[in-house]
Amino acid sequence: EAGVTQFPSHSVIEKGQTVTLRCDPISGHDNLYWYRRVMGKEIKFLLHFVKESKQDESGMPNNRFLAERTGGTYSTLKVQPAELEDSGVYFCASSQDWERIRNSPLHFGNGTRLTVT
Amino acid sequence: QKEVEQNSGPLSVPEGAIASLNCTYSDRGSQSFFWYRQYSGKSPELIMSIYSNGDKEDGRFTAQLNKASQYVSLLIRDSQPSDSATYLCAVYGQNFVFGPGTRLSVLP
Repeated sequence: EAGVTQFPSHSVIEKGQTVTLRCDPISGHDNLYWYRRVMGKEIKFLLHFVKESKQDESGMPNNRFLAERTGGTYSTLKVQPAELEDSGVYFCASSQDWERIRNSPLHFGNGTRLTVT
Repeated sequence: QKEVEQNSGPLSVPEGAIASLNCTYSDRGSQSFFWYRQYSGKSPELIMSIYSNGDKEDGRFTAQLNKASQYVSLLIRDSQPSDSATYLCAVYGQNFVFGPGTRLSVLP
């Protein structure tokens, strides 16, 4: 079984530019999450998709962040325009079963390390 | 108050000793509890999940849950240098919430 894959693994952009992160969850996983870890802080929730629908986007910091999950498969997270405080590691995670979500642990991708200069 | 708190590290134990990692959470309605291990530069990987009060053992790992005290712990017996990593406590209530992690160093 292929794991959660994220692309790119690293991205260095200048303040004001746009970056798009991609996540391919494990095939068949209904739930897709985006998390972010900034330097020295805990992993923070950004949003949760169930299939193609946004279930919870309460963690999105502001309207510079836009997430989509076309057809309930892969997801993209776009940051436009990027600011210095957006630097961190962006993790995507997926889990299998929406109905039994409490018993469906998260499987993480390797993350995208974003540096905004 | 943070939603999920973990004992501050780094925690250093000698090889072969028991490492004890602690986690408290604020949402009394939390239902599921997970321990993840994260090596430097890598993604978190699931070690244990626990859903009911008591102990759950898996090899050298034992998770303990006490919902009345809102406390969950992870014990690692016969610690090995390869166990050196950051251990993340995750709690599921309305969503998955992670603690800041405890860095464990097992000294040969």
